[in-house]
Amino acid sequence: SQQGEEDPQALSIQEGENATMNCSYKTSINNLQWYRQNSGRGLVHLILIRSNEREKHSGRLRVTLDTSKKSSSLLITASRAADTASYFCATDMDSNYQLIWGAGTKLIIKP
Amino acid sequence: DTAVSQTPKYLVTQMGNDKSIKCEQNLGHDTMYWYKQDSKKFLKIMFSYNNKELIINETVPNRFSPKSPDKAHLNLHINSLELGDSAVYFCASSQEGTGGGHGYTFGSGTRLTVV
Repeated sequence: SQQGEEDPQALSIQEGENATMNCSYKTSINNLQWYRQNSGRGLVHLILIRSNEREKHSGRLRVTLDTSKKSSSLLITASRAADTASYFCATDMDSNYQLIWGAGTKLIIKP
Repeated sequence: DTAVSQTPKYLVTQMGNDKSIKCEQNLGHDTMYWYKQDSKKFLKIMFSYNNKELIINETVPNRFSPKSPDKAHLNLHINSLELGDSAVYFCASSQEGTGGGHGYTFGSGTRLTVV
């Protein structure tokens, strides 16, 4: 089942602009994770935010979590061509052994 | 050193054949997974093993059989391949069941095409 839903499905911006992607989920969680998938490659873990955290930073990435709205956002600042990829959110849905994945946001950075 | 390696990277085979995909991780993780990603990029969990023990067995045809000889390996065998099995299959591993602080580490995928 698909727990997370990313929004938008696709996003195209100019290099240097900021990119914001959103993820909504349906049930309570322990943590929410964001991953990047470059074309033809496996997924790469970017950042994990726990349910008791509201914001987390990693380099040019900023993730927020609003458990009351059951939503998270991923902000990529000063985008680069290399950021072109699909971005997925995943939640643990209170399970110990399973992540539930969204359908992903395809991000295109135009030079 | 590749952390999670799966072979082969590409697999083209005829309907009805039996094939295997191998996965190995050198991270010392306890949990390994098989995922299927369809053409629309949806990721679907197929199986999960924790220390060689099957803990997730989603609704997949019983033509798919995982085997974990040790906690560093999780192979996927598929019998009687069908056209609908065409997809990219990803192996992943994690230290804790849902990734803990470091998330999952994925292999680079096996693109299976059934003709």
